[in-house]
Amino acid sequence: NAGVMQNPRHLVRRRGQEARLRCSPMKGHSHVYWYRQLPEEGLKFMVYLQKENIIDESGMPKERFSAEFPKEGPSILRIQQVVRGDSAAYFCASSPLGTSGRSSYNEQFFGPGTRLTVL
Amino acid sequence: AQSVTQLDSHVSVSEGTPVLLRCNYSSSYSPSLFWYVQHPNKGLQLLLKYTSAATLVKGINGFEAEFKKSETSFHLTKPSAHMSDAAEYFCVLNQFYFGTGTSLTVIP
Repeated sequence: NAGVMQNPRHLVRRRGQEARLRCSPMKGHSHVYWYRQLPEEGLKFMVYLQKENIIDESGMPKERFSAEFPKEGPSILRIQQVVRGDSAAYFCASSPLGTSGRSSYNEQFFGPGTRLTVL
Repeated sequence: AQSVTQLDSHVSVSEGTPVLLRCNYSSSYSPSLFWYVQHPNKGLQLLLKYTSAATLVKGINGFEAEFKKSETSFHLTKPSAHMSDAAEYFCVLNQFYFGTGTSLTVIP
């Protein structure tokens, strides 16, 4: 059973370009979470998605960032008009069970991350 | 408010000696707590979790953690460190709130 897959593993963009990060959850998992990890910091929750639904996007910046998890295919985190401050590692996680509210006992299975560098 | 504090950003131990990684939390309601390990350029792997059952939780690779409500702590321990334990460790509250991590170095 393949784990959570993320691609690309490394992504370099110039300021103003778009970045698209992909995440394929584990087989049978329909809940996906995106996190951002800045240097020397822990992971910060960005968004929680189910198939075709955004459940919680309270951690997403209000502008330039969007996420989707279509019925078919991977989840996509999209960053438009990237700036240097977007440089970070972006991790995706999946779980077989959903989360109610902001408290959960669910184990998350993490992908290896995408390291975004903005020049 | 919910938050997690990992008290040490770096811990260094000799191989074969005990490991203690400290974590304190603040939560408005009964918490769930997790410890994850991250090896370089890898994703996070769950070590153990507390879900309001036994307060002493045993995880993989010989790690365990004890939930102490009176101290709002969930410290991670291992009796004897192995070289392969060198990694970054994250304490997580209620699935979404991550500590800033503790980097464990194991000296041969």
